Amino acid sequence: QLQLQESGPGLVKPSETLSLTCTVSGGSISSSSYYWGWIRQPPGKGLEWIGSIYYSGSTYYNPSLKSRVTISVDTSKNQFSLKLSSVTAADTAVYYCASLEYSSSCLDYWGQGTLVTVSS
Amino acid sequence: QSVLTQPPSVSEAPRQRVTISCSGSSSNIGNNAVNWYQQLPGKAPKLLIYYDDLLPSGVSDRFSGSKSGTSASLAISGLQSEDEADYYCAAWDDRLNVVVFGGGTKLTVL
Repeated sequence: QLQLQESGPGLVKPSETLSLTCTVSGGSISSSSYYWGWIRQPPGKGLEWIGSIYYSGSTYYNPSLKSRVTISVDTSKNQFSLKLSSVTAADTAVYYCASLEYSSSCLDYWGQGTLVTVSS
Repeated sequence: QSVLTQPPSVSEAPRQRVTISCSGSSSNIGNNAVNWYQQLPGKAPKLLIYYDDLLPSGVSDRFSGSKSGTSASLAISGLQSEDEADYYCAAWDDRLNVVVFGGGTKLTVL
């Protein structure tokens, strides 16, 4: 059973870059069955898809965030990462990483989530 | 404004049945699998239904899913207080190339 764990700073200053890493255990990030995704949830609001990456490095990004988002993968460490640049208070949210099963596009395993607050 | 449309809230008494609707378009629900997630207060979402109507291992068979055209539904029978949660539908969108979510439905068990 896959386990995912987010890590990174909980506080980021406006205009700076948010950086998070997701460590995958219980399976290989190089599995052909999965993409690996980032989702966020502002306080009291719904879920928003940020983007996903395949172990080969192929990515899909939410068009509304595409200009500021970079998702990368490190197969040697079984990790994938998120960078979101030029953050504002509107980027304050709980950030989740999840496994995206290729055929059904279901997010079958989730990290516990990490709250990132954008504030000076 | 979410790409998929869900009612903001539903409520029903214990032991009754409730349904939550999810409406989309041909680029998402109409052409791809619908998945449902349950989010208990303060917790990460959990996969509840995948491929429109399949239950992951360990999910109670009180939960069921269905799809017709560009709409889908989640049904919960024999409601229990522990079912109080937010429920989200989601699907891949071929036009946007992203996973799109509904806005979420808050279930209250009266």
